Amino acid sequence: AQKVTQAQTEISVVEKEDVTLDCVYETRDTTYYLFWYKQPPSGELVFLIRRNSFDEQNEISGRYSWNFQKSTSSFNFTITASQVVDSAVYFCALSEGKAAGNKLTFGGGTRVLVKP
Amino acid sequence: DAGVIQSPRHEVTEMGQEVTLRCKPISGHNSLFWYRQTMMRGLELLIYFNNNVPIDDSGMPEDRFSAKMPNASFSTLKIQPSEPRDSAVYFCASSFRQGRVELGAFFGQGTRLTVV
Repeated sequence: AQKVTQAQTEISVVEKEDVTLDCVYETRDTTYYLFWYKQPPSGELVFLIRRNSFDEQNEISGRYSWNFQKSTSSFNFTITASQVVDSAVYFCALSEGKAAGNKLTFGGGTRVLVKP
Repeated sequence: DAGVIQSPRHEVTEMGQEVTLRCKPISGHNSLFWYRQTMMRGLELLIYFNNNVPIDDSGMPEDRFSAKMPNASFSTLKIQPSEPRDSAVYFCASSFRQGRVELGAFFGQGTRLTVV
């Protein structure tokens, strides 16, 4: 069965600090997909990134970067130079590669509070 | 595209009443998911459809919950009779997967259900 663990329940930083969110996953599939979502106080779930298990290249998008390590089953997310608008709950999610199933399993989320 | 559209955004109903939540997925997506979010349990997958066919409904809490997808552009989640413990935010999401192409799930804005 697939499982996603976000050990950090809440992180508080001061604006302009970097913050790294940990995500560890479990799956028996060799093909799978990893995602990060942001849930701001307004409540919607915003898709941030998708990563395939067969592509370990790390990615940077503006102040966001992601570090995918298959060897440790981790897909960590870093916000560089955090801003107040980054305050949100961030979810890591996993989807296995079965042909007939692509349901997302979510971690418990990490609440990030960026103080001015 | 307008994204995933859910209605209503908010619903307040009395215990015992029937509640119907509606979802219009993104055009061209072949999977649809219903999730429920509560403080206690986080994001739970209730049911998902692939090409309009229910694939996994193991997350549906009990027989009071039912979901349908009569065509590729519409789905409903019905609770009958509703109970106070059903109070939660219900999200609909859609995604596209074909072979190794996985676009990731895009979520609607959610329906906040309150059963009094």
